[in-house]
Amino acid sequence: NAGVTQTPKFQVLKTGQSMTLQCAQDMNHEYMSWYRQDPGMGLRLIHYSVGAGITDQGEVPNGYNVSRSTTEDFPLRLLSAAPSQTSVYFCASGRDRRNTEAFFGQGTRLTVV
Amino acid sequence: QKEVEQDPGPLSVPEGAIVSLNCTYSNSAFQYFMWYRQYSRKGPELLMYTYSSGNKEDGRFTAQVDKSSKYISLFIRDSQPSDSATYLCAMGGRTGGYQKVTFGIGTKLQVIP
Repeated sequence: NAGVTQTPKFQVLKTGQSMTLQCAQDMNHEYMSWYRQDPGMGLRLIHYSVGAGITDQGEVPNGYNVSRSTTEDFPLRLLSAAPSQTSVYFCASGRDRRNTEAFFGQGTRLTVV
Repeated sequence: QKEVEQDPGPLSVPEGAIVSLNCTYSNSAFQYFMWYRQYSRKGPELLMYTYSSGNKEDGRFTAQVDKSSKYISLFIRDSQPSDSATYLCAMGGRTGGYQKVTFGIGTKLQVIP
C-alpha cells in the first residue's frame, strides 16, 4: 500500500514549457485534489475531483488543467509554465469531498526559470 | 483579512515542555477542523480532526475547538525532538456551494533536546 505517489519529485522548466505532474493513489479514494504550497501563503487548492470523470476548479486554477479518467490517477498539467508557478505541488486523496482525512503525497518541487 | 490566521513562528521549546499551537478563523461556515504535521520536505500528514467544540485527545495530542470564539488549538504534552515540524491547521465547511478546506500557513516548531 503505497498511499499517494507523486512524480517527479523535482523539476526545472523554462518559461513557456509544458509538463504533467503525475499523481496516483491506491486507496480507492473518490476525492483527489492538487494544492500548491508557497512561503507565507499556506496550501492553496488548484483543482479537485470527486470521482472519475468529474473535476472542478479550486482557489487558484489559472494556468493548470486536470483530468480524471480513472479512480487511481489525477494528473496536473501546466500549459505554459511561468515563473509565478514556481512552487511545491502536493496531490492529496480522501474518502469524501469534505476532505477531513486527506492523505498527501510527498510533493513535487517545481522551479520555472 | 485571511480566513485562517496562524502564527508562523518559529517556536522553540525544551524537550518535555507542553506546546500550544493556535489558529483563529473568520468564516462561520467552517464546521470541521484538522491539524496536520509536516516534516521538512515532506507532505502533510493528518494528526487529528474534530467536528465539534470541546476537546479531543489522542495520546500526547489534544485538539481544542471554541466555535464561539472562532479559535482552535493543538496541545502537545511531553514534547519530543521528533515533534519538530511545521503544524498546519485546516478547517472546512460548505462555502459557495461546495465543500471548501482552508489551511493556515503553518507554525514551525523546534523541540530542543
